[in-house]
Amino acid sequence: EVQLVETGGGLVQPGKSLKLTCATSGFTFSTAWMHWVRQSPEKRLEWIARIKDKSNNYATDYVESVKGRFTISRDDSKSSVYLQMNSLKEEDTATYYCTTSGGGHWGQGVMVTVSS
Amino acid sequence: DIVMTQGALPNPVPSGESASITCQSSKSLLHSNGKTYLNWYLQRPGQSPQLLIYWMSTRASGVSDRFSGSGSGTDFTLKISSVEAEDVGVYYCQQFLEYPLTFGSGTKLEIK
Repeated sequence: EVQLVETGGGLVQPGKSLKLTCATSGFTFSTAWMHWVRQSPEKRLEWIARIKDKSNNYATDYVESVKGRFTISRDDSKSSVYLQMNSLKEEDTATYYCTTSGGGHWGQGVMVTVSS
Repeated sequence: DIVMTQGALPNPVPSGESASITCQSSKSLLHSNGKTYLNWYLQRPGQSPQLLIYWMSTRASGVSDRFSGSGSGTDFTLKISSVEAEDVGVYYCQQFLEYPLTFGSGTKLEIK
């Protein structure tokens, strides 16, 4: 059974940093492209980042609103994908999901609240 | 960026009736390989989104055949035949032709 479990969310002040982890199991992680998607309190879904596999040089892509602030990375030995979020803004408040490419599997999500 | 625009449903929909949800993209999602890069998801209350349809018209594993997807390069429809209580939630379309991947704003389905 495919499982994706996000951790690391919480309440953080504007300008601070947070790192999310998505631990996976049940599929061949090393060849999978992985994504982070967030859902605002208004329930809008926004794709934010993707990382390819080793054969594609772990290439990354980001939505414009997080470029330069967020970094997606992965550790194939731990079947995990990460999202490092720096310089957080109140508009980054959302539930963050990791997903497999194609959208077939999603984690349960983790809440991030940016507020002073 | 490709903008995805979803239509609303005349809620609530009587149980057993059919419902059609529309989605329009600002750019054709039909690739030269003949595939249309559109997904449909259902997010039930309190749950993560669940993939229903990919490549515009292919049902994901385990999805009821009451769900069907159709469309052209820019106009798409998700049809739910004989709606049931378990179909309640918000439906989203998503394009995966190019980055950034983008979603529609969602269409809520309520059952009477």
